[in-house]
Amino acid sequence: RKEVEQDPGPFNVPEGATVAFNCTYSNSASQSFFWYRQDCRKEPKLLMSVYSSGNEDGRFTAQLNRASQYISLLIRDSKLSDSATYLCVVNSGGKLIFGQGTELSVKP
Amino acid sequence: GAVVSQHPSRVICKSGTSVKIECRSLDFQATTMFWYRQFPKQSLMLMATSNEGSKATYEQGVEKDKFLINHASLTLSTLTVTSAHPEDSSFYICSARPTGGLSYEQYFGPGTRLTVT
Repeated sequence: RKEVEQDPGPFNVPEGATVAFNCTYSNSASQSFFWYRQDCRKEPKLLMSVYSSGNEDGRFTAQLNRASQYISLLIRDSKLSDSATYLCVVNSGGKLIFGQGTELSVKP
Repeated sequence: GAVVSQHPSRVICKSGTSVKIECRSLDFQATTMFWYRQFPKQSLMLMATSNEGSKATYEQGVEKDKFLINHASLTLSTLTVTSAHPEDSSFYICSARPTGGLSYEQYFGPGTRLTVT
């Protein structure tokens, strides 16, 4: 079983749509959680950290459920520029463990 | 701030040759750097953790004699792919953790795309 699992997609949505990504992780001792964004043939860039209380950054909302070892990312009012691969990332003992990524394509 | 560079950005080499990739932290010191590999449509996989002045720690399944890591200064780590083969063709990305930084704090380089013919 992979340590961090995501639906690979692709998710094809029209502009303005709301899209949700899910992620599960297997190591209950994992300490911190993140969503990264990766554009084609580029390095990953930190999008936001994820907290149990839930956190929001503009159109992006992230949520962590430690009991079910589940992480989510919600994107509202999606833009063309949101097209990318979204990576669920877990910090386990100082190492970042990356999910496979979920590809999002926002169409006009 | 917190910029990491990699050189070269792209390299094509012949099977059997060795390739060196450099990772530099430009505006901070990094006691610890990390090397990742990413195959198409797959996740970033950690290959090794590089510590300044000491031997690298390799992840399970990564051959330390094939992927040589040197972290000789607080701003530079190098990865040498020895006797490269076509199956080593991949996107190699480094990251650097600022000295004294949080355990999860890593800044990524732009990556090096290696093609072995």
